[in-house]
Amino acid sequence: IAGITQAPTSQILAAGRRMTLRCTQDMRHNAMYWYRQDLGLGLRLIHYSNTAGTTGKGEVPDGYSVSRANTDDFPLTLASAVPSQTSVYFCASSDSAGTSADTQYFGPGTRLTVL
Amino acid sequence: LAKTTQPISMDSYEGQEVNITCSHNNIATNDYITWYQQFPSQGPRFIIQGYKTKVTNEVASLFIPADRKSSTLSLPRVSLSDTAVYYCLVGFFSGGYNKLIFGAGTRLAVHP
Repeated sequence: IAGITQAPTSQILAAGRRMTLRCTQDMRHNAMYWYRQDLGLGLRLIHYSNTAGTTGKGEVPDGYSVSRANTDDFPLTLASAVPSQTSVYFCASSDSAGTSADTQYFGPGTRLTVL
Repeated sequence: LAKTTQPISMDSYEGQEVNITCSHNNIATNDYITWYQQFPSQGPRFIIQGYKTKVTNEVASLFIPADRKSSTLSLPRVSLSDTAVYYCLVGFFSGGYNKLIFGAGTRLAVHP
């Protein structure tokens, strides 16, 4: 089934450890996004990529890094996890160049707990 | 950084019309307004999008006044399955980048 896949589904991580959340889309969309969702704060954009080879910072980029080596994959890395990064992480993609006119398609999410 | 504002929660009953308003004072000239729906343990999914005036699809209507500083999502005759969180999305230009901002979301509870 076409769409966005994320891995892992959930993870418990010790503080200070490195973690990469994976995101893959098979719709050949140009733009991809990473959001975190916290209770009462809604969805906040972490990083985005308007096309393969480019990335940009969103609203809450500190402590996270991304890469976009190809169209399909957009991994999110926590170099040294901290408890405040406990959240649900959603990856999304859209067909165009990352404007608000795009329809974004979301993955099922990764629930991350940092202890 | 500019942001959107929505009511935190709303309650309704089956068969009623529900209107959810989002404020977005600093919306950019070329930005569209998009609404998403999210069920528990799922990612958000697209409902409707508009630029100005009124847009209607099979699921909802979207009303946008001339100044575009707010928008109202209208759900006709809601059912229990419409219980979800609804997000308003607009894009803001800040520091030369088009940063997409979700509102905090409105939790809609539909009662029998």
